[in-house]
Amino acid sequence: GAGVSQSPSNKVTEKGKDVELRCDPISGHTALYWYRQSLGQGLEFLIYFQGNSAPDKSGLPSDRFSAERTGGSVSTLTIQRTQQEDSAVYLCASSHNSYGVEQYFGPGTRLTVT
Amino acid sequence: AQSVTQLDSQVPVFEEAPVELRCNYSSSVSVYLFWYVQYPNQGLQLLLKYLSGSTLVKGINGFEAEFNKSQTSFHLRKPSVHISDTAEYFCAVTLKGGGNKLTFGTGTQLKVEL
Repeated sequence: GAGVSQSPSNKVTEKGKDVELRCDPISGHTALYWYRQSLGQGLEFLIYFQGNSAPDKSGLPSDRFSAERTGGSVSTLTIQRTQQEDSAVYLCASSHNSYGVEQYFGPGTRLTVT
Repeated sequence: AQSVTQLDSQVPVFEEAPVELRCNYSSSVSVYLFWYVQYPNQGLQLLLKYLSGSTLVKGINGFEAEFNKSQTSFHLRKPSVHISDTAEYFCAVTLKGGGNKLTFGTGTQLKVEL
């Protein structure tokens, strides 16, 4: 079946603008994750959704970052008032609801803030 | 908090030679261990994982890893590499019973040369 998809694949935005990044997880996966990959910080966890539970937001770097997951499926990561340090590849992953299971990653959205 | 160390940022190796990519972790509780591979401009793909049981884990593409609890290591090995193995490799952990968010190492760039 289809894997995790993300859109857009590339996004260039001006400093101070808001951006929305979209993730479509694998059908039937109850868990969804956002990670950020940047040169300075490597791969870092941002936020985790599991079913109808409250999301784990412990990795969000500031209150400019937020995410939601509608209907237990599609997720949107929103970055408000973007800064140059937000430039990175944002990766989404999904998995079944079990510990230690494989997370399936999307191809990522490359965000460039000018 | 848990952490993952990949001491080698780059590993050059000739084709058909063996390779070992090192990974050490630190955690006050038990963890699950993973190796992911990332090809250029792609998302991450799971190579193998250790959850419990046999400490020698075999994965895709001929890779294997051995969990060593006393040394808190999970080194990745392949007896004979191919040009197509050129990629970045990430070691990662999740806490047992602590949600599935991955903590990654900084990655090792494997470059296979003729």
